[in-house]
Amino acid sequence: EVQLLESGGGLVQPGGSLRLSCAASGFTFSSYAMTWVRQAPGKGLECVSSISDTGGSTLYADSVKGRFTVSRDNSKNTLFLQMNTLRAEDTAVYYCARAGPYYLAYWGQGTLVTVSS
Amino acid sequence: EIVMTQSPATLSVSPGEGATLSCRASQSVSSNLAWYQQKPGQAPRLLIYGASTRATGIPARFSGSGSGTEFTLTISSLQSEDFAVYYCQQYNNWPRTFGQGTKVEIK
Repeated sequence: EVQLLESGGGLVQPGGSLRLSCAASGFTFSSYAMTWVRQAPGKGLECVSSISDTGGSTLYADSVKGRFTVSRDNSKNTLFLQMNTLRAEDTAVYYCARAGPYYLAYWGQGTLVTVSS
Repeated sequence: EIVMTQSPATLSVSPGEGATLSCRASQSVSSNLAWYQQKPGQAPRLLIYGASTRATGIPARFSGSGSGTEFTLTISSLQSEDFAVYYCQQYNNWPRTFGQGTKVEIK
């Protein structure tokens, strides 16, 4: 069974940093691209960042480019999202999702990031 | 960026009735279109990919159609567990973009 478990969310002040993790199990992690999707409270879905199976290719939404960095450790079946210079508008539930190969076949339950002073 | 527009924003349907949800892309996405279902407090769940292929475990009452810029999700006979928000998403280009969602509520 595919399982994705996000962690690392919490309350952070504007300008601060946070690192999200997504632990994967139930599939060969190193064979799949992965994506971070966020959802602001009461709002729709936004693809934030995507990373290829090897980690050699990354993509970012314009809204986070230069502030967020996606990475992965295939030896530990874990996906990361380093978020710097956080803004109030980054407040959202962050989901990790497994590509299937391009649509989002499996999703974690999400971790809430709140940016507030 | 490809803009995805869903209609209607809200659809009120009685259990057992059918529902038709629409999704329009601002430019062609070929058949690179997925539909997701999201219930309150839960993560989205993949329903349809490739515009018309049901994901594993998805009941046959869900069907998708369309290509290019116009897409439809049809639910043939709504069950209680189908009342939720539905999103379309194009994965033809980056950034992958979602529609704003259609809420299917009990009439």
